[in-house]
Amino acid sequence: AQSVTQLGSHVSVSEGALVLLRCNYSSSVPPYLFWYVQYPNQGLQLLLKYTTGATLVKGINGFEAEFKKSETSFHLTKPSAHMSDAAEYFCAVTMMDSSYKLIFGSGTRLLVRP
Amino acid sequence: DSGVTQTPKHLITATGQRVTLRCSPRSGDLSVYWYQQSLDQGLQFLIQYYNGEERAKGNILERFSAQQFPDLHSELNLSSLELGDSALYFCASSVNYRAYEQYFGPGTRLTVT
Repeated sequence: AQSVTQLGSHVSVSEGALVLLRCNYSSSVPPYLFWYVQYPNQGLQLLLKYTTGATLVKGINGFEAEFKKSETSFHLTKPSAHMSDAAEYFCAVTMMDSSYKLIFGSGTRLLVRP
Repeated sequence: DSGVTQTPKHLITATGQRVTLRCSPRSGDLSVYWYQQSLDQGLQFLIQYYNGEERAKGNILERFSAQQFPDLHSELNLSSLELGDSALYFCASSVNYRAYEQYFGPGTRLTVT
């Protein structure tokens, strides 16, 4: 069965610093992996996804993530944090059954300090 | 804006009551997913419909039910509400049941008092 673990429920960075949000997955089959962002009082917005092919995927707002099969990881990075990046970030894996439903991690709240 | 709409935005009701949450998928999307986001359980899949038929069930309570109508909008019905049902309920849609990219609505925040 697929599962997702996000290390760190809260991450705090200074504006302009590197953002690194960690995600590890467990899957018996090649996974489809996603990062979603949730701003306060809003729904989830897809940041980026990995399905097949290039293991380094670029998303919106300058974020990128690298699929590392040997480490079962899909960490999210951004070279320089902006105040507007403050939000909650969810890593997810697609359940490869008849539904293709998403299995989410517990989320990481990113705080950006001025 | 994802193109998925949900109504109402907020709902406050009492224990024991019944409520209906509504979702309209993106134009052209046939599959609708319902998720619950709560502080203790996180984001959990409840149920999926595809083109009017139930496709998959997750951790959905027997007090909860859903349906998808011919115009593809979906409703999630929650009955005999308990305090623990207080949560954000999200609807997501995708082109078909095998499409891995899901688009989320803004959610309905349910508060049970």
